[in-house]
Amino acid sequence: DAGITQSPRHKVTETGTPVTLRCHQTENHRYMYWYRQDPGHGLRLIHYSYGVKDTDKGEVSDGYSVSRSKTEDFLLTLESATSSQTSVYFCAISREDEQYFGPGTRLTVT
Amino acid sequence: GQNIDQPTEMTATEGAIVQINCTYQTSGFNGLFWYQQHAGEAPTFLSYNVLDGLEEKGRFSSFLSRSKGYSYLLLKELQMKDSASYLCAFQTGANNLFFGTGTRLTVIP
Repeated sequence: DAGITQSPRHKVTETGTPVTLRCHQTENHRYMYWYRQDPGHGLRLIHYSYGVKDTDKGEVSDGYSVSRSKTEDFLLTLESATSSQTSVYFCAISREDEQYFGPGTRLTVT
Repeated sequence: GQNIDQPTEMTATEGAIVQINCTYQTSGFNGLFWYQQHAGEAPTFLSYNVLDGLEEKGRFSSFLSRSKGYSYLLLKELQMKDSASYLCAFQTGANNLFFGTGTRLTVIP
């Protein structure tokens, strides 16, 4: 157990609304990641952070922004949700080269 | 570009041995990971190979050949609870992981 929680765990929202997902860790790890997982695509990296206020884009960053104002929290924001962003979102931390995942957030955009 | 190939589905019998193969292409490589993911759950770490050769951890072993861009995960003494998806991923710079689409393993009695 890497002490990672995600909130909310499930969310249904309408197209065009803003959505923020939260990842919280209790172990003070420097690296944090946001992935999405869709059938036929596997896990794809959206954004990652290598410290407070230090973030960078991943493979599928369009339509997403992130913020990290505290070591323990990494926020993922969909500024204007679209149906293509319906997915399961996983947060992860890196501990000694190994990544450990949070429980996931299932987001449905109608 | 970056690419990972692994079989989509496999079926094996309880008590048997199964090998899940993974081939990859990338310009930057820092290691090869295997994760297990049960349906509706988060991926959980199984193994990490950075050097060529076999790493054994209980019933699970993982092999890496960097020159061939090839890895496999070997599961021995299969149990029903081993039915899950197995994800292969390579690590690039900045600790980032690039995942394959996963192999869904079904263990039958």
